[in-house]
Amino acid sequence: TQLLEQSPQFLSIQEGENLTVYCNSSSVFSSLQWYRQEPGEGPVLLVTVVTGGEVKKLKRLTFQFGDARKDSSLHITAAQPGDTGLYLCAGPFIWGSNYKLTFGKGTLLTVNP
Amino acid sequence: GAGVSQSPSNKVTEKGKDVELRCDPISGHTALYWYRQSLGQGLEFLIYFQGNSAPDKSGLPSDRFSAERTGGSVSTLTIQRTQQEDSAVYLCASSLVIGGVTEAFFGQGTRLTVV
Repeated sequence: TQLLEQSPQFLSIQEGENLTVYCNSSSVFSSLQWYRQEPGEGPVLLVTVVTGGEVKKLKRLTFQFGDARKDSSLHITAAQPGDTGLYLCAGPFIWGSNYKLTFGKGTLLTVNP
Repeated sequence: GAGVSQSPSNKVTEKGKDVELRCDPISGHTALYWYRQSLGQGLEFLIYFQGNSAPDKSGLPSDRFSAERTGGSVSTLTIQRTQQEDSAVYLCASSLVIGGVTEAFFGQGTRLTVV
């Protein structure tokens, strides 16, 4: 069962454009995370959101956690070629002492110069 | 080292051979994950280790795949009788829960090519 659904799956835009990618679930999460993976590297954490309705900004990136804590969005303003990569959202699935991170399939973003 | 280390970084093997992939997690991290990733695709979960709990093996695609974690530290992923469809990048991650939040730290992966 895919707990986290990301859309769109692929996105190709021109430098300077704005974009939003989404992460949705039918489950409530205690927190959600966004990772970025560049070619040839492992994913790296960008942000963790923990409070429903929370908005966090990281330079040109704005992350929002839904009020019901079932979804999140990532908005990039004035995209640059350096933003190219695979954007993954992740949330914990908790049972007993286990705290397993579940990842969505990702959005593959290409920013063309 | 300071990060998650995987070896080898690249492996080319002949179809039918067995391979072992190694992961050295960050010291003190209680959780360890293995993922598989095909070109341009997302992460395919394989297995999850957490402390002394029984591992979650629900993502292993067949009984040719197995993994162990010795002493709560180093992990080895073994693929027996490799097939061409096993070709992919295998990523390892480790994490620690602090204050109800966890961050996964990934290695750079092992690129496996089965010829």
